[in-house]
Amino acid sequence: AQSVTQLGSHVSVSEGALVLLRCNYSSSVPPYLFWYVQYPNQGLQLLLKYTSAATLVKGINGFEAEFKKSETSFHLTKPSAHMSDAAEYFCAVTPGAGNNRKLIWGLGTSLAVNP
Amino acid sequence: NAGVTQTPKFQVLKTGQSMTLQCAQDMNHNSMYWYRQDPGMGLRLIYYSASEGTTDKGEVPNGYNVSRLNKREFSLRLESAAPSQTSVYFCASRPGGANTGELFFGEGSRLTVL
Repeated sequence: AQSVTQLGSHVSVSEGALVLLRCNYSSSVPPYLFWYVQYPNQGLQLLLKYTSAATLVKGINGFEAEFKKSETSFHLTKPSAHMSDAAEYFCAVTPGAGNNRKLIWGLGTSLAVNP
Repeated sequence: NAGVTQTPKFQVLKTGQSMTLQCAQDMNHNSMYWYRQDPGMGLRLIYYSASEGTTDKGEVPNGYNVSRLNKREFSLRLESAAPSQTSVYFCASRPGGANTGELFFGEGSRLTVL
């Protein structure tokens, strides 16, 4: 069965510092992996996704994530945090085929950016 | 570009009252979803509709009913609200087909049941 673990429910960084949000998954089949962002009082929007093409995936707002099969990880990074990056970030996994109702969500990581 | 529109944005109910959350999308998407978001519990799927005319249960369907009125609209009904249904509800849609599709979310409906 698929599952997603996001390490750290709260992460705090200084403006300009590296952002690293961790996501580990388990999947019995090759997964598709997603990062979504939720700004305060808004719905979620897609940051980036891995769908078995390039293992390094670039998304919006300068974020990227690397799929590492050997580590079963899909960590989200951004070289330099901006105040506007403060939000909740969700990692999600789904099997490579099948209905999207099996999208499994992590519990989220709240990112705070300090001036 | 409205995307996914949810109404109402806020609602307070008393235990036992009923209400319907409305969702409409203008992107011609096939699939639509209802999630609830609770602190520390992430997103949980209540019901989904893979295409017009079909609905299916998700992880937490008890206490809810849904109607896929047409391709655009997917409503969620609470027949007899309970305090445990206090939550933020999100409607989402997806073009359908391959499982790689992006989910598009509404801004949420914040429900409090007293």
